[in-house]
Amino acid sequence: AQTVTQSQPEMSVQEAETVTLSCTYDTSENNYYLFWYKQPPSRQMILVIRQEAYKQQNATENRFSVNFQKAAKSFSLKISDSQLGDTAMYFCAFMRYHAGNMLTFGGGTRLMVKP
Amino acid sequence: SAVISQKPSRDICQRGTSLTIQCQVDSQVTMMFWYRQQPGQSLTLIATANQGSEATYESGFVIDKFPISRPNLTFSTLTVSNMSPEDSSIYLCSAYSGGNYNEQFFGPGTRLTVL
Repeated sequence: AQTVTQSQPEMSVQEAETVTLSCTYDTSENNYYLFWYKQPPSRQMILVIRQEAYKQQNATENRFSVNFQKAAKSFSLKISDSQLGDTAMYFCAFMRYHAGNMLTFGGGTRLMVKP
Repeated sequence: SAVISQKPSRDICQRGTSLTIQCQVDSQVTMMFWYRQQPGQSLTLIATANQGSEATYESGFVIDKFPISRPNLTFSTLTVSNMSPEDSSIYLCSAYSGGNYNEQFFGPGTRLTVL
């Protein structure tokens, strides 16, 4: 079974600064997907960024980027130029290839962006 | 992408009663899932809603307690039966529409309180 661990229950960052959220996972699979989802207070889960395990290049989406270290089973999210709207719960998630597309979520990190 | 709506958005129910939550997707999707999220915590997969066949339940969840229907490719229901206060939670529906991106889209959730 896969497990996903987010070791930072809460974090805060000043507006316009950079913050990194940590995620580690445990799997015996070689091919899989990793995701970061954002859940604002409104509860709507939104995909922030995805990474395919077979790709060595780290994914980027505007102000969001990941540091994917496959050997270390680490998948951190970096948010640059933090904005007040980034305040939310962030969940790291794992999906096996060809396994019914089920997601395994980490415990979440509550991020507060301060003005 | 897929837009998902859920009804009701919230409800307060009495112990021993049942509630049916509806999930509607604006396009045909391959897979639909139901998750439970305790307030401030992570998401736990309840079951995969299979079109035309019985749902596939995760460990700790049973059909008698959480019957699921999926009559077509755009709609699913989750019933929480014989409710107790321990069932108070947020229930989220998600869908996967296929393709190369393996992205799951989430509904806004149903906040259930059992008295």
